[in-house]
Amino acid sequence: AQSVTQLDSHVSVSEGTPVLLRCNYSSSYSPSLFWYVQHPNKGLQLLLKYTSAATLVKGINGFEAEFKKSETSFHLTKPSAHMSDAAEYFCVVTLMTGGFKTIFGAGTRLFVKA
Amino acid sequence: SAVISQKPSRDICQRGTSLTIQCQVDSQVTMMFWYRQQPGQSLTLIATANQGSEATYESGFVIDKFPISRPNLTFSTLTVSNMSPEDSSIYLCSATTPGTGELFFGEGSRLTVL
Repeated sequence: AQSVTQLDSHVSVSEGTPVLLRCNYSSSYSPSLFWYVQHPNKGLQLLLKYTSAATLVKGINGFEAEFKKSETSFHLTKPSAHMSDAAEYFCVVTLMTGGFKTIFGAGTRLFVKA
Repeated sequence: SAVISQKPSRDICQRGTSLTIQCQVDSQVTMMFWYRQQPGQSLTLIATANQGSEATYESGFVIDKFPISRPNLTFSTLTVSNMSPEDSSIYLCSATTPGTGELFFGEGSRLTVL
């Protein structure tokens, strides 16, 4: 069975401090992993994706994520938070073996304090 | 990449009426999807819109309640029929291009049913 677990429903950081949003996955197949961001009243935007190339993936707006197969994790990080990073973040697994299936995590709300 | 336009962006409707949401993609995509996002929640897949044939619905969603059309590769509609307050939600159109696994999203249609 496939699943995605975002370990924190809410994360609060101060501006200028590091961000860590945690995601663990379970998959019987080789998944593609994604992080999407959703700002208020907006659709989802792709931050970054892992598709079996480099395990450290760099995305937009200074975000990056590391795929760790041994830990089945794909945590999202950013060295220094900005106020504009306040949003909802979704970890997503996509399976393209024998069809197309996407599994969304429950989401993590990031708050950034001035 | 693909840019998705969705309309209406929001609407307030009366109980018992129906609303059709339109989704236009600026390029040819392989698959189109409709999601529902209830307040503070993650995304739930309603159905995959298939070009020229009946949509493929997920468990818990039926064609009579959520009829979907996809007359060509770049356009789809979702109708929410016989609405009740429980249908108040954000409805998101999404699409993917071949082999990437990446999803592109419209900005969503925020529906309030009174």
